[in-house]
Amino acid sequence: GEEVAQTPKHLVRGEGQKAKLYCAPIKGHSYVFWYQQVLKNEFKFLISFQNENVFDETGMPKERFSAKCLPNSPCSLEIQATKLEDSAVYFCASSQPPDIYGYTFGSGTRLTVV
Amino acid sequence: QKEVEQNSGPLSVPEGAIASLNCTYSDRVSQSFFWYRQYSGKSPELIMSIYSNGDKEDGRFTAQLNKASQYVSLLIRDSQPSDSATYLCAVKGGKLIFGQGTELSVKP
Repeated sequence: GEEVAQTPKHLVRGEGQKAKLYCAPIKGHSYVFWYQQVLKNEFKFLISFQNENVFDETGMPKERFSAKCLPNSPCSLEIQATKLEDSAVYFCASSQPPDIYGYTFGSGTRLTVV
Repeated sequence: QKEVEQNSGPLSVPEGAIASLNCTYSDRVSQSFFWYRQYSGKSPELIMSIYSNGDKEDGRFTAQLNKASQYVSLLIRDSQPSDSATYLCAVKGGKLIFGQGTELSVKP
């Protein structure tokens, strides 16, 4: 499709529970990125993929966060044992070669940890 | 020092005026520069990209890049109330790094 599809739109989890977010990139885009937006505007890079391979994971809190992009499946971002500070909007974006093209963002998943 | 810095605003301009948004970045090897618009509660939308020094115009939008000064700007001519949003500067060296955004309010 021509849009980055993220599901679910909203997710509420109790502290300590697991959260799993999904992202289907635009067909033909080989790069996928995950960002976390806490508060109003601060975007934090988490991880990127080139096809199913991790491209850059320097932003990932590795103790509790993991991500995958498997062939013929939506990409996923999983948070084990959620904490209150994980409450944020998680955006997925996809791109053709990212040095040339900007990223197209999905509509985001709002995670609320209570 | 943050990697990408913007004035957080809010920047308020009257309808029809020119809005000027500024951004500085710290990584000299950055090659690609983007401006995104984000309406409240929505995802960022790419409005301009620029890769070489100088100006790039697209409709009412002009992006300006000065790599020597590590400075990127966005001008919005004939500002409209529908331009009211947060504008995010993004700079790509390895990964795309966002500034904190400038909130623009265009008053009718």
